[in-house]
Amino acid sequence: EIQLVESGGGLVQPGGSLRLSCEASGFTFSSYSMNWVRQAPGERLEWISYISVRSSTIKYADSVKGRFTISRDNAKNSLFLEMSSLRTEDTAIYYCARDGPMVRGDRWGQGTLVTVSS
Amino acid sequence: DIQMTQSPSTLSTSVGDRVTITCRASQSISDWLAWYQQKPGKAPKLLIYKASTLESGVPSRFSGSGSGTEFTLTISSLQPDDFATYFCQQYNSYALTFGGGTKVEIK
Repeated sequence: EIQLVESGGGLVQPGGSLRLSCEASGFTFSSYSMNWVRQAPGERLEWISYISVRSSTIKYADSVKGRFTISRDNAKNSLFLEMSSLRTEDTAIYYCARDGPMVRGDRWGQGTLVTVSS
Repeated sequence: DIQMTQSPSTLSTSVGDRVTITCRASQSISDWLAWYQQKPGKAPKLLIYKASTLESGVPSRFSGSGSGTEFTLTISSLQPDDFATYFCQQYNSYALTFGGGTKVEIK
């Protein structure tokens, strides 16, 4: 069974940092590009970052560029999101999503909640 | 970024009804559009990709159509398990963008 399990969320103060992880199982992780997508309370989903299979291509949404860093460890079947200079508007559920052959996001995790508040 | 406008935002309906949800893109995205279903506390589930291709394992009562800027998700006969939130996503270009969602609720 294909599974994506996010972890690392929690409560952090504005200006703080947090590292999210997404552990993949049930498929060959190293063969798929990956994304992070978030959803703030009452808001629509927002794509925030993409990484190709060998990390050669990385993309960020303007809202997180310069503050967030996506990475992956194919040997450990894991995707990461390093978040720094966090703002209250970064409060959201963060999902990792796998790219399929013909679609961006054919499998998603259940998400991890990040709350930025003093 | 490409803006995705989805309507309606809420749909009160009954089991057996035909349901139609519309998604409009601010510019042409060809057929690079996906539809997802999401239930509270659960991961989004892919239903349709490339505007009209049914994901493996998804019931045939779900169908998608459209190209360019206008797209439709249709549920031919709503089942109890279908009460959920549905949203569209364009993947013609980065940044990927999503519709605001349609909550299908029991009338």
